[in-house]
Amino acid sequence: QVELQESGPGLVKPSETLSLTCTVSGGSLSSYYWGWIRQLPGDGLEYIGYMYDSGSVYYNPSLRSRVTMSVETSKNQFSLRLSSVTAADTAVYYCARVIPPAMPFDPWGHGTLVTVSS
Amino acid sequence: DIQMTQSPSSLSASVGDRVTITCRASQTISYYLNWYQQKPGKAPKLLIYAASTLQSGVPSRFSGSGSGPDFTLTISSLQPEDFATYYCQESYSSLWTFGQGTKVEMK
Repeated sequence: QVELQESGPGLVKPSETLSLTCTVSGGSLSSYYWGWIRQLPGDGLEYIGYMYDSGSVYYNPSLRSRVTMSVETSKNQFSLRLSSVTAADTAVYYCARVIPPAMPFDPWGHGTLVTVSS
Repeated sequence: DIQMTQSPSSLSASVGDRVTITCRASQTISYYLNWYQQKPGKAPKLLIYAASTLQSGVPSRFSGSGSGPDFTLTISSLQPEDFATYYCQESYSSLWTFGQGTKVEMK
C-alpha cells in the first residue's frame, strides 16, 4: 500500500524559504495527483496545493504568490517550497495523494512540524 | 470564498450512541464533500468521500449523506476507537476549505 513521508528542516527563519519533500513508497507517482496540506496551531487545516505527475500544478489562491510545487518522478518524490515565511506559517505540514474525481486526500503522510523563528 | 461550518464544535457521547455531525457549505459544492477523522498526534484519515461513499477499510458504522448545502456524518454506534476530531472538506472550489472540526469526547 502507498505510504508517504515528509522530510525537511523543522526550523526556518522568518523571510526565508520553507522546503519540504514527500517520498512515496509502495506505489508510483505516475497517473496520480499529489498534494500538500498544513495544520496550523489551534488545529485548523489549510489546503496548500496539488499537482499531477506531469507537473501541472494547482495552488490555493491565498498562498499562490509564495508556493512552488514540483515533482521528481525518478525519485518518487514531490516537493513544496513556501517563500517569505513568517510566524504565521508555523504548522504541521502533510503531504497526501489526491484521488480523482471527488479529490479527497488519501492517504496522508505522518506530518512534519515546521517552526518559523529566528 | 466557500465557508464550511461544522456543528457542533464538540460533543460528549457514550459507547453505543448514535452520533451525527453536520457540515454546511456557504454555497453550492455539488457532491464534493469529504469527511476525515483525526486522532491526537496523527494525520487525518479519510472516512467518506463524494458526500456518501465509504472509503475502503472504514467500518460500516460510518455513513455520509446530503447534498449542498447540508451534509451529515453519522456514526451509528460509537465505539471506543471513534473518540476523535472529525473534519469535513469541500473539493469543489479552488480553496478546498476544511470545516473547523468537531471533537467527539467521552461522556
